[in-house]
Amino acid sequence: KQEVTQIPAALSVPEGENLVLNCSFTDSAIYNLQWFRQDPGKGLTSLLLIQSSQREQTSGRLNASLDKSSGRSTLYIAASQPGDSATYLCAVRRASGSRLTFGEGTQLTVNP
Amino acid sequence: GAVVSQHPSWVICKSGTSVKIECRSLDFQATTMFWYRQFPKQSLMLMATSNEGSKATYEQGVEKDKFLINHASLTLSTLTVTSAHPEDSSFYICSARDRRQETQYFGPGTRLLVL
Repeated sequence: KQEVTQIPAALSVPEGENLVLNCSFTDSAIYNLQWFRQDPGKGLTSLLLIQSSQREQTSGRLNASLDKSSGRSTLYIAASQPGDSATYLCAVRRASGSRLTFGEGTQLTVNP
Repeated sequence: GAVVSQHPSWVICKSGTSVKIECRSLDFQATTMFWYRQFPKQSLMLMATSNEGSKATYEQGVEKDKFLINHASLTLSTLTVTSAHPEDSSFYICSARDRRQETQYFGPGTRLLVL
């Protein structure tokens, strides 16, 4: 059974700092991995999707990497802003069409 | 990106009544839709998966007679909480995937409070 772990559970940083969120999964046989953002009381917003054949994806200040063999992914946020404060969730999919398995999330607070 | 809407965004109802939540994919055809439940400060818990035109597949421990799911078209799925009780109060989120089965898009969620 696939298990997804996110470390740290919570993170508080000053504005402008670069930061890394970690995601690990126990079964390296994944189809893709997706990073989401969730604001309080809201749904999930997809940030980046990495296919199993890819090493990284970038969108603006966000960069997600994937090391499938070691079962790890990182989400790098450059020059953090207070608006980045949210819970970040990673999720993996075992095969095309299968369900997402979510981590517990990292609650990020960026202080002005 | 693709948009998934939910209606209503929040609902308060009396114990014993039924509540229907709609989930729509606005700009793509969703062959698969998912319903999740989320408790405060916890991650999403998958309740059921529905494919257009077929019966939903429920996760273990989820009562299919209590949480009725209908996926009648490629753009609409509904979740009906029947005979709601206070313990059904939660945040319900739907999600949809397109035909290519790549990115999964999530709705804004529906907060249900049963009094």
